[in-house]
Order: sequence, then C-alpha cells, then structure tokens
Amino acid sequence: AQSVTQLDSQVPVFEEAPVELRCNYSSSVSVYLFWYVQYPNQGLQLLLKYLSGSTLVESINGFEAEFNKSQTSFHLRKPSVHISDTAEYFCAVRTSSNYKLTFGKGTLLTVNP
Amino acid sequence: EAGVVQSPRYKIIEKKQPVAFWCNPISGHNTLYWYLQNLGQGPELLIRYENEEAVDDSQLPKDRFSAERLKGVDSTLKIQPAELGDSAVYLCASSFDTSTDTQYFGPGTRLTVL
Repeated sequence: AQSVTQLDSQVPVFEEAPVELRCNYSSSVSVYLFWYVQYPNQGLQLLLKYLSGSTLVESINGFEAEFNKSQTSFHLRKPSVHISDTAEYFCAVRTSSNYKLTFGKGTLLTVNP
Repeated sequence: EAGVVQSPRYKIIEKKQPVAFWCNPISGHNTLYWYLQNLGQGPELLIRYENEEAVDDSQLPKDRFSAERLKGVDSTLKIQPAELGDSAVYLCASSFDTSTDTQYFGPGTRLTVL
C-alpha cells in the first residue's frame, strides 16, 4: 500500500518570499502524484499532477513540483508567494494500477503581508 | 461548466439522528467518490461508484453508513444513527474514469454531531 508524508503541518511566510512544501511518498510500484489546494470553506482543487514524462510539472499560478524517484519526493515550490496563496495544500499519491488516492495530512500555508 | 455540487453545505444534528448528504457530479463523469475528511487530516475514501455500481465500499462503515447512486448520476450518502465521532467534512468527487483521470471535488458538507 502507498502512503504520503507531508513533513510540515504549517508553513508561515511573508509575501513575495519563496516557499517549499515538502511531500514524501512510499510505494513499491510506480506512482502518479498530485498536489491539491483547499481554500477556506471550499473543496479541493487540483494544482498540478505528475503522471509520466518530464519530472518537473508546473501550475498556471506559478507553482511547480519535481518528481524525484530516488528520494521518493514531490516537493511543491513557488519562487514568490502572494497573500492569495494562503490555503491548505494536500499531496496525494496513487499507483498506476490502482485508482485510490492516498492523501497526506496537509500543510497550511499562511502568507503574511 | 458546473463543478461537483453538494448539499447541504453545513448540517448540525444531535447524536442518534439520521442525516443524508447529496452529490451531483460533473456531467458525463462516470466515476463518483465519497471521501471523509476529519479535522487536520487529508481526505479518506469511503466508497467509489462506477456508474450505478459500488465497486469499492471496503472503507464504508456499513453498520451505520449507506450510499446509493440509483441512476448512475447523483448520489446520496446516509448515516443512521449518527455518532459524535462522525463530525467531519464529507467530500464528493467525480472523474470521467479511473485510469489517469483527475478527480474533481465538491465543496463538501460539514457535519457537526452534538
């Protein structure tokens, strides 16, 4: 079975600072990886995903994540955050043969002015 | 295009009462999921439907939880009777299929059991 560890439960940063949200996974087979974002009182929205191909994937709002197979990681980064990026971010994994998404516990990103 | 619709958004009930949640997936999405999200946790799958068939309900506590998707479109999740520990957010998601397709989530129903 697969599992996901998000190493930081909360990450406070100042506006325009860079940020990295860490995610490590465990699986004995090949995986698909996802980052979802949850704004207050809203459902989860897909931010970006890795299925195959280039290990660096980007979102439309400036986030990027890199799949690192040797370190079993899929860390999320943004070079300069905005107040509006304040939200909870969930890393999720599924295997190529199993539909089931396994989520981490989430990282609350708080961007302060 | 409308997203996944859930109602109600909030529900407060007393323990031992029944409660039901409704979900309408994105049009054309054959696969529907119900997730449970406890405070401070990521979502956990309760049940998955392929059209009207529940193909994985292994995580659904069947003594008090039930679900249906009679016409393969919208779905209802029921708890009877509710317990204090059922207080959580119940999320519905849908996808076109279960291969590599993205799961799209609704806003959730926040249940409080008093």
